[in-house]
Amino acid sequence: DTGVSQDPRHKITKRGQNVTFRCDPISEHNRLYWYRQTLGQGPEFLTYFQNEAQLEKSRLLSDRFSAERPKGSFSTLEIQRTEQGDSAMYLCASSLGPQFFGPGTRLTVL
Amino acid sequence: ELKVEQNPLFLSMQEGKNYTIYCNYSTTSDRLYWYRQDPGKSLESLFVLLSNGAVKQEGRLMASLDTKARLSTLHITAAVHDLSATYFCAVDNISGGGADGLTFGKGTHLIIQP
Repeated sequence: DTGVSQDPRHKITKRGQNVTFRCDPISEHNRLYWYRQTLGQGPEFLTYFQNEAQLEKSRLLSDRFSAERPKGSFSTLEIQRTEQGDSAMYLCASSLGPQFFGPGTRLTVL
Repeated sequence: ELKVEQNPLFLSMQEGKNYTIYCNYSTTSDRLYWYRQDPGKSLESLFVLLSNGAVKQEGRLMASLDTKARLSTLHITAAVHDLSATYFCAVDNISGGGADGLTFGKGTHLIIQP
């Protein structure tokens, strides 16, 4: 499969726990994006990497959120001290031009 | 701040009918995207519109872009049940001087009934 992959696909956690998601982009794509989508809404931009550099962060990305792309390939998104409001689908996309989206990680915070 | 508005947000239509979904955006941008999302699934890229007057067609779907009016349309011709999904338009922020991500509309939930 040469598309964008994300792991895990589903995560259920208790409030206050930390969670980490992984995204593997399409191999030749140098740009990688994270979005969050809540029920009934369109995706909201969180952050963007070009190669290993994190070039932009949305104000939606609170201090509890951190993203890395250490070698310019895969990326991780960590949420610390999760809150119920963090429950959402977290989408990763990669691009050279148009963005191609992965299947998403659905997070449920109890 | 870039805003993207779609209408209608919900559309129920019969097979065989034609309809248009509208996407308005608030700041200058010349890159607009249409995506399809099935329930519980991720987004599938449908069209990329890169210039004023761009028109693209794929099967029963046709998308157009008018950058002067800041309007894109997604036209459905002779709808079939398989087109039932949620359709999102998204605008590239960077053309409007913003971050290099996309701003999405709320989506149009389309149900096509036999």
